Amino acid sequence: SAVISQKPSRDICQRGTSLTIQCQVDSQVTMMFWYRQQPGQSLTLIATANQGSEATYESGFVIDKFPISRPNLTFSTLTVSNMSPEDSSIYLCSVVTGGTDTQYFGPGTRLTVL
Amino acid sequence: EDQVTQSPEALRLQEGESSSLNCSYTVSGLRGLFWYRQDPGKGPEFLFTLYSAGEEKEKERLKATLTKKESFLHITAPKPEDSATYLCAAYTGGFKTIFGAGTRLFVKA
Repeated sequence: SAVISQKPSRDICQRGTSLTIQCQVDSQVTMMFWYRQQPGQSLTLIATANQGSEATYESGFVIDKFPISRPNLTFSTLTVSNMSPEDSSIYLCSVVTGGTDTQYFGPGTRLTVL
Repeated sequence: EDQVTQSPEALRLQEGESSSLNCSYTVSGLRGLFWYRQDPGKGPEFLFTLYSAGEEKEKERLKATLTKKESFLHITAPKPEDSATYLCAAYTGGFKTIFGAGTRLFVKA
């Protein structure tokens, strides 16, 4: 399995501001995903980060609110824009490596919006 | 609509008291069933993948089984360090994965 790191691990932000979360993998991966996990709830897929092209967003999530970049096969960023307290969640990146269907998760970024 | 339901929502056990967690799924075309362990404030840690009914996988005190409608995670003689949230997820292909809400397990010494 790949080693996945995320930065920052946690942050406290003011409403109306934006935060960019980074996801770095130690090897090239086939797929990268971004999830949100609200307090006490399960994982909700935000989008699939596509290398070299626009991300594919799930219903209820839009690019203006959650812009995503994936410049290469080992790195992606998720920006949470114009934040409100409802955006307080854990944000997780996950990857799928070649030859498997299994998703491996990063340690997560805990975001609190005041 | 594809759905994954886990029960119970929370389970409290005494150390050494074996039990099972349930994951029932209603999906069109199951390609795989994943189990993860998640500790508070951390990302999910992969445990098992099951691909076909009748398959079993074991790791230390954990054993996962799969039928055509549900999966079980059996915990034998649990220890306090097994306390965590256990997530199951149904994979239907095309990297589409549906997660259950999880079972929070508390093991008391």
